[in-house]
Amino acid sequence: NAGVTQTPKFQVLKTGQSMTLQCAQDMNHNSMYWYRQDPGMGLRLIYYSASEGTTDKGEVPNGYNVSRLNKREFSLRLESAAPSQTSVYFCASSQHNEQFFGPGTRLTVL
Amino acid sequence: AQSVTQLGSHVSVSEGALVLLRCNYSSSVPPYLFWYVQYPNQGLQLLLKYTSAATLVKGINGFEAEFKKSETSFHLTKPSAHMSDAAEYFCAVSRNAGGTSYGKLTFGQGTILTVHP
Repeated sequence: NAGVTQTPKFQVLKTGQSMTLQCAQDMNHNSMYWYRQDPGMGLRLIYYSASEGTTDKGEVPNGYNVSRLNKREFSLRLESAAPSQTSVYFCASSQHNEQFFGPGTRLTVL
Repeated sequence: AQSVTQLGSHVSVSEGALVLLRCNYSSSVPPYLFWYVQYPNQGLQLLLKYTSAATLVKGINGFEAEFKKSETSFHLTKPSAHMSDAAEYFCAVSRNAGGTSYGKLTFGQGTILTVHP
């Protein structure tokens, strides 16, 4: 099992550009999550999907959209990137209250 | 609403010394509590979790934590630090959703552990 995979690992964008971060899990988990990690702030929840076909906002959803494509895949889209979105993004999936994390995507917006 | 406070953004210990990382939580319902570790340039790995069973929880790599409801604390300890323990540690809380398969996590700010030879 690969667990939770994320692509790309690194990305540099210019202000105003758009991109989609991809996440997939092979553990047959119902729930998936997107977090951002910034120094001194821990991880903050952007969006989550409790089950296939549902998505909900987390703590910091502004500037992001998500798609739960199927049970395996949960993508995060930045429509118009801003420097404030420079961060490390983690995807996670969960089963029985335990979350499993991907390796992260390091995004820089210039 | 839930929240987590980790006391001390940086903790430094000598190899072989006791490790104590502090975590206090706030939750209006019975919580689930977690400690995660993050090594440089990697994702988060679960160290241990409390899910309303035993209050003393043992995890991987010799770590353990004790749930103290009266103190709303869930401090992480290890009797003897090893160089390989150097990492960032996160405490997190989720709502005890009665066995449902998901629970949103609220993370603390993180504590960077440095281990000196």
